[in-house]
Amino acid sequence: GAVVSQHPSWVICKSGTSVKIECRSLDFQATTMFWYRQFPKQSLMLMATSNEGSKATYEQGVEKDKFLINHASLTLSTLTVTSAHPEDSSFYICSARPPGLQETQYFGPGTRLLVL
Amino acid sequence: GDSVTQMEGPVTLSEEAFLTINCTYTATGYPSLFWYVQYPGEGLQLLLKATKADDKGSNKGFEATYRKETTSFHLEKGSVQVSDSAVYFCALSLTGNQFYFGTGTSLTVIP
Repeated sequence: GAVVSQHPSWVICKSGTSVKIECRSLDFQATTMFWYRQFPKQSLMLMATSNEGSKATYEQGVEKDKFLINHASLTLSTLTVTSAHPEDSSFYICSARPPGLQETQYFGPGTRLLVL
Repeated sequence: GDSVTQMEGPVTLSEEAFLTINCTYTATGYPSLFWYVQYPGEGLQLLLKATKADDKGSNKGFEATYRKETTSFHLEKGSVQVSDSAVYFCALSLTGNQFYFGTGTSLTVIP
């Protein structure tokens, strides 16, 4: 149980285009989902916290107009990288927290984005 | 600020060798500490955790003890197997929302 999927697993796009990444909790409902970004040989950095039915909370330094997050249902959150540029190339990981389990996060396998 | 430092890899061990991956932390309060493991092509999975000083987390032969005096949470296993090859992340959390991760340590176990 407690499986989180991400789609796509990797994507290559041209500079200036937008890319949407989906994060789904497959066998549980997640009132809270999290989006992380990981650069090579660096740790995961929390980008934003997404609560179902409300606006996401972004970490300091993360551009909310650049990284649009939508948590429209209890099993789906999406991250859209708008007008992507090569510096947005990275590994994006989502996690989902079941209700009532404060310190539990189930992670997706990640999405590798390459912007040319 | 809050942060985690873990030993850089990659680490290569022979099967049945002893494993230690060092992790130290800096935190403004009393965090919970975690080790996550990421197998190739999969998401991070919780391996073990400890929520207060002197607690020992253990799972699948791995263990780590929350040492407040040395601000450490080193991961150990007495006899590694090929199937333990993965990337290991140390992490801390104060609130359950914000997790601070180390950079990850890649472990390869050779037969």
